[in-house]
Formats: sequence, C-alpha cells, structure tokens
Amino acid sequence: AQSVTQLDSQVPVFEEAPVELRCNYSSSVSVYLFWYVQYPNQGLQLLLKYLSGSTLVESINGFEAEFNKSQTSFHLRKPSVHISDTAEYFCAVTLDFGNEKLTFGTGTRLTIIP
Amino acid sequence: EAQVTQNPRYLITVTGKKLTVTCSQNMNHEYMSWYRQDPGLGLRQIYYSMNVEVTDKGDVPEGYKVSRKEKRNFPLILESPSPNQTSLYFCASRRQGANYGYTFGSGTRLTVV
Repeated sequence: AQSVTQLDSQVPVFEEAPVELRCNYSSSVSVYLFWYVQYPNQGLQLLLKYLSGSTLVESINGFEAEFNKSQTSFHLRKPSVHISDTAEYFCAVTLDFGNEKLTFGTGTRLTIIP
Repeated sequence: EAQVTQNPRYLITVTGKKLTVTCSQNMNHEYMSWYRQDPGLGLRQIYYSMNVEVTDKGDVPEGYKVSRKEKRNFPLILESPSPNQTSLYFCASRRQGANYGYTFGSGTRLTVV
C-alpha cells in the first residue's frame, strides 16, 4: 500500500521569501502525485499534479513541484511567497490501478509573516 | 458552475441520534468519496464509490454507511453517532481514472455531544 509523509506540520515564512514544503512517498509501483491546498474555512483545491513526463510541474500561482523517483520525493516550492499563500497544503499519492485510492499526508500549515 | 455541494455546513447533534450528510455533484463524475479531516491526521477516506450501486470501505469505515443510488448523490449516514465521530467531513468527486484530481465540497463540521 502507498503512504505519504509530510514531516513539517507548520512552516512560518516571511513574505517574499522562498519556501519549500517537503513530501515523501512510499510505494513499490508507479504512482501519481498531487498537491492540494486548503484555504481557511474552505475545501481542498487541486494545486498541481505529476502523472508522467517532465519531473517539474507548475501551478498557475507560482508554485512548482519536482518529482524525484530516486528519493521518492515530491517537494513543493515557491520562490517568493505572498500573504495570500497562507493555507494548509496536502501532498497525496495514488496508484493508477485497483481502487485508485488517494492517500493524503498529514498536511503542512504555511504561515506567511508580514 | 461545476461543484460538489454538501449539506449541512455545520451540525451539532447528540450521541445516538441518526443523521445524514448529503453530497451532490453536477459534473457527471463516476468516482465519489468521503473523507474525514482531524488535526494531525490529515484526511482519511471513509467510503468511496466507483459508480452507481458500487461502494466500498476506505480506511475508517466503522460507524458510517453510504449509498449510491444515483450518479450525482452520495450521502453519508451515521446510524448512531458517537463523540469520536466529531470531525470535519469532506465529500469529493472526480472522473474515473486516478490521473484526475478531485473536486471537493466545502465541508461539514460535525460535533457529537
């Protein structure tokens, strides 16, 4: 079975500074990887996903994530954060066969300091 | 607008009183799922459905029931709620195929006293 580890439960960052949110997964077969964002008092929204091909994927609001198969990682990065990026971020993994269950990490709360 | 609609948004109930949380999607998605979100535990899948009349247990199904009589609706039923079911619940749907991302509802915050 697949699993996801987000080691950092909280990450405080100054506005306009870079940030990296770490995600490691465990699976013996090929996976699809996702990052979801949850703004305060809202449901989750898909931020970006890796399916195949280029290992670097980007979102429309400046975030990017890089799939690293050898390190089984899918870290999320942004070169310069904004107050509006304050949210909780969830990494998730699924297999491309079987019940296609999406397994989430425990989340990382990103707090932007003005 | 494409969306997943959950009702109610907030619910306080007493132990043992049956309740239903409704979920409806307007995107003709085959796959629907219920998750609960608890601090420090992330989201855990309760039940999922791959299509009409096809449902299966997720990671934490105890104390919950679901049904999928129509493609658009996927209600979550708590026959006899207990305080440990106090949580934030999310319904989500997507097209068939693990490469598709989920669309989530806005959540239902349930408190069982």
